[in-house]
Amino acid sequence: DIQMTQSPSTLSASVGDRVTITCRASQSISSWLAWYQQKPGKAPKLLIYKASSLESGVPSRFSGSGSGTEFTLTISSLQPDDFATYYCQQYNTYQTFGQGTKVEIK
Amino acid sequence: EVQLVESGGGLVQPGGSLRLSCAASGFTFSSYWMSWVRQAPGKGLEWVANIKQDGSEKYYVDSVKGRFTISRDNAKNSLYLQMNSLRAEDTAVYYCARDQNGDYDDYWGQGTLVTVSS
Repeated sequence: DIQMTQSPSTLSASVGDRVTITCRASQSISSWLAWYQQKPGKAPKLLIYKASSLESGVPSRFSGSGSGTEFTLTISSLQPDDFATYYCQQYNTYQTFGQGTKVEIK
Repeated sequence: EVQLVESGGGLVQPGGSLRLSCAASGFTFSSYWMSWVRQAPGKGLEWVANIKQDGSEKYYVDSVKGRFTISRDNAKNSLYLQMNSLRAEDTAVYYCARDQNGDYDDYWGQGTLVTVSS
């Protein structure tokens, strides 16, 4: 089974900050990685697929990079609406999610 | 507008059964893989199962193999999850999601809560 590990688990940041979340796979998954945003009580929302492709309608301040086993999600300038939990997901073999990274207000 | 609406959740005793449904609209349901993903209270996301467009391929996470069955009715634009031999650790919000080619999930329902408790 492919394990996905995100870091950090919690991140405290201020509006306007550049934020980076890392996701590591236990084996190579090529670029078969997606990122989701989830707010309390709501369903996840797709942000990025194929490691770096921005989903339609998602603000350009979100970007993804990486391949193989190491990936990053970057928010270039954190906005009030961005405080949420972020999950990576591999879909190279079935699907596995990371444990999540909560972005909270500093 | 793509809509996915889950139903069928509730309180069930350990060892019991429950059938979840997901009604799809706003897209050609028969053209997409579909998934069930769950989230235990206060925990992260866990993929449960997915199913190919014609139902010919189905895949499950190890923890539910032999207990859960995913199915679909393309004539009714509906996805199902039959859950048997339920355990306390199956307690979660269950989301229905549309898959892109059996890969990532681009649309999600609002979820239905399943509680397994005596």
